[in-house]
Amino acid sequence: EVELVESGGGLIQPGGSLRLSCAASGFIVSNNFMNWVRQAPGKGLEWVSILYSGGTIYYADSVKGRFTISRDHSNNTLYLQMNSLRAEDTAVYYCASPVFTDYGMDVWGQGTAVIVSS
Amino acid sequence: QAVLTQPSSLSASPGASASLTCTLRSGINVGAYRIYWYQQRPGSPPRYLLRYKSDSDKQQGSGVPSRFSGAKDASANAGVLLISGLQSDDEADYYCMTWHSSAWVFGGGTRLTVL
Repeated sequence: EVELVESGGGLIQPGGSLRLSCAASGFIVSNNFMNWVRQAPGKGLEWVSILYSGGTIYYADSVKGRFTISRDHSNNTLYLQMNSLRAEDTAVYYCASPVFTDYGMDVWGQGTAVIVSS
Repeated sequence: QAVLTQPSSLSASPGASASLTCTLRSGINVGAYRIYWYQQRPGSPPRYLLRYKSDSDKQQGSGVPSRFSGAKDASANAGVLLISGLQSDDEADYYCMTWHSSAWVFGGGTRLTVL
């Protein structure tokens, strides 16, 4: 069964750091495009970052220079290292991937909540 | 001006059809873009519905009923999600998405009410 499971969210003070994980099963992370998408409370979806199978990476302007996307082939997991966190980074963070399609995002995790507050 | 603009809300009756629009910013030609559509119910992650660029470049999400379909309105420079035979559990938020300038871009979402 294909599944994505996020973890690592929590309450963090402004300026702090947090690393999110997204464990995949049923497909190989390194062979797929992998995305992070977030959703602030009561707001719409906002794309955060993409890691291509070939290693190319893009970030949204709102997180560029603060967030780093990466993957570990050995444990089939995607990561998002978040530094210099701000209140506006408060959101549910989803990982998503095009597993049954050639592009876009058709498989999503359940999300992990990040709250940036003092 | 946002890359993708969606009406914030839409209401329709059970059994009727609904047309959800996703308008591209002026200067960005909808004909060149794949438009992806997602459904999100409260407390759940987004669900992939379909993508549409043209009748020869489209894809339905796994398990998504055929009453959900995509189209384009070139005159309005918009992607369209068509939902026929509306049911109560179609009530949800709907988001469009496209790839533009090395980034995925989402529309602001349309809340569909079925009443």
